Amino acid sequence: EVQLVESGGGLVKPGGSLRLSCATSGLIFSNTWMSWVRQAPGKGLEWVATDGGTTEYAAPVKGRFTISRDDSKNTLYLQMNSLKTEDTAVYYCTTNNIADYWGQGTLVTVSS
Amino acid sequence: DIVMTQSPDSLAVSLGERATINCKSSQSVLSNSNNKNYLAWYQQKPGQPPKLLIHWASTRKSGVPDRFSGSGSGTDFTLTITSLQAEDVAVYYCHQYYTTPRTFGQGTKVEIK
Repeated sequence: EVQLVESGGGLVKPGGSLRLSCATSGLIFSNTWMSWVRQAPGKGLEWVATDGGTTEYAAPVKGRFTISRDDSKNTLYLQMNSLKTEDTAVYYCTTNNIADYWGQGTLVTVSS
Repeated sequence: DIVMTQSPDSLAVSLGERATINCKSSQSVLSNSNNKNYLAWYQQKPGQPPKLLIHWASTRKSGVPDRFSGSGSGTDFTLTITSLQAEDVAVYYCHQYYTTPRTFGQGTKVEIK
């Protein structure tokens, strides 16, 4: 059974940083494309970044966020710098280009 | 960017009746190389993460009830729930994974009439 567990969310001031983690099990992590998708409170889904060998980013986070992975730990990361209030959202990690599995999400709140 | 537009934004359907959600993409998501539509549908219930229902526009994920079906090609797609059950109350999203940035529709809220 595939399991994804996000952690690392919390309250941070504008301009601050956070690193999210997504621990995985039940899949061959090193062979799996991984992505982050976020959802602002009461809003829809927004793709953030993908690591599929090469990394790709949504325009609003490019240059501020970095997606990375540690295949030895089966873990995906999202380093978020220069955070803005509009980055407030639940952040989900997902698998493959079809996002066939999702974690429960971790809430990031950017507020002064 | 490919813009995904769903209609309607919400709908109320009686139990056992059909629910139909439309999704239109601003550009084709049909690949000429493999003749596949890079279009998926997700269901999100309150307080839960989204759940994949359908990919490649019409392929149901294993374990998804067969009352859920997807159709369409190119730029116009439909998710149909043939006999609405109480547990189908949720928000439904379409999603194109044809190109970056990957984009989602705004969501359609399905309720019981």
